[in-house]
Amino acid sequence: EVQLVESGGGLVQPGGSLRLSCAASGFTFDAYAMHWVRQVRGKGLEWVSGISWNSEATGYAASVKGRFTVSRDNAKKSLYLQMNTLRSEDTAMYHCVKSSGVWLSHDHMDVWGKGTTVTVSS
Amino acid sequence: DIVMTQSPESLAVSLGERATINCRSSQNLLYNSNNKIYLAWYQQKPGQPPRVLIYWASTRESGVPDRFSGGGSGTDFTLTISSLQAEDVAVYYCQQYYTTPPTFGQGTKVEIK
Repeated sequence: EVQLVESGGGLVQPGGSLRLSCAASGFTFDAYAMHWVRQVRGKGLEWVSGISWNSEATGYAASVKGRFTVSRDNAKKSLYLQMNTLRSEDTAMYHCVKSSGVWLSHDHMDVWGKGTTVTVSS
Repeated sequence: DIVMTQSPESLAVSLGERATINCRSSQNLLYNSNNKIYLAWYQQKPGQPPRVLIYWASTRESGVPDRFSGGGSGTDFTLTISSLQAEDVAVYYCQQYYTTPPTFGQGTKVEIK
């Protein structure tokens, strides 16, 4: 069974940092690009970041560029999101998402994790 | 960035009736070199992550009931549920994957009338 399990969310103060992790199983992890997509409770979906199969290409939403860093470890079948200088507007559920292809664009998202909740508040 | 606009925001349909959701993109999503449309539809039920229903604008994901169909071209797209079932109550999102950043519509909530 294809599965993505996120961890690392929690409560953090504004200006703080968190590192999200995503453990993948059930598919050839190093053959696909991966993404992080967030969702504020009761609101829509916002793409946050993506990384190509070989880590050569990464992309970020304008709202997080310079603060967040995406990475992956294909040997460990894991995806990460380092989140620095967090703001209240970063509060959301963060989903790990598998791409149907190898690069950042031109492929849809075909498997979603249940997500991990990040709350930025003092 | 490509802006995706869905309509209506919410929709109430009787069981067994047709539901149609519209999605418009601010740019053409047809890639001329391969004649493919870079648009997907996702379903999100309460308390669950999204699930892909349709990609390439009209290709149904494996396991998706055939009452779901996607259509359209260029910049205007539709998701149709031919005969609404109780388990179809959800929020539906369109998404373009033509360029980075991938962008989503704001969602359409489908309920039972």
